[in-house]
Amino acid sequence: EAQVTQNPRYLITVTGKKLTVTCSQNMNHEYMSWYRQDPGLGLRQIYYSMNVEVTDKGDVPEGYKVSRKEKRNFPLILESPSPNQTSLYFCASSKQGVMIGELFFGEGSRLTVL
Amino acid sequence: AQSVTQLDSQVPVFEEAPVELRCNYSSSVSVYLFWYVQYPNQGLQLLLKYLSGSTLVKGINGFEAEFNKSQTSFHLRKPSVHISDTAEYFCAVRGSKGNEKLTFGTGTRLTIIP
Repeated sequence: EAQVTQNPRYLITVTGKKLTVTCSQNMNHEYMSWYRQDPGLGLRQIYYSMNVEVTDKGDVPEGYKVSRKEKRNFPLILESPSPNQTSLYFCASSKQGVMIGELFFGEGSRLTVL
Repeated sequence: AQSVTQLDSQVPVFEEAPVELRCNYSSSVSVYLFWYVQYPNQGLQLLLKYLSGSTLVKGINGFEAEFNKSQTSFHLRKPSVHISDTAEYFCAVRGSKGNEKLTFGTGTRLTIIP
């Protein structure tokens, strides 16, 4: 089954404690992206990757890091989480070119930073 | 750069009534347009897309949307809604040249009243 898998789905942590949200896709997609969803703000892009070892900032990259060492995986790293990073996070993937826009989303990871 | 405006944050509709969810975009270049649906506690999934050709596009679950270039709109419609259509709906736009990013609107929450 084609899918994007995120872990953990739910996480409560404290300020400053490093955490990683994993994302894996089994569709051999070149493009992967992270979004955060906040009430009234819709989805905002954090980082994206056009292919292995190619990453770039989205609209709200501050406080986040990513890496793309393998095509299927695109982890999101919060080095020192703060309460304003409490949000619902989505990973998404797509084929390249015109297909960017036809995104497949994971089920989301709800993060609370105390 | 492109932007998207979803004029209604919440739309309540009686079951079996028609619905229209409004989406307007702004862009200096030609665009591709998308509607995504997010059911409660799930990720987003593609509902329909406009890339080129016929301005009336049909999607899953009986939804359709019409691209109106002169009014820069891409409104989503369904002639008769069902309880299962309760969800949040996001309009999204990207430029048609190169690998431009996808920009999401802030979403419209559709509530179906029995």
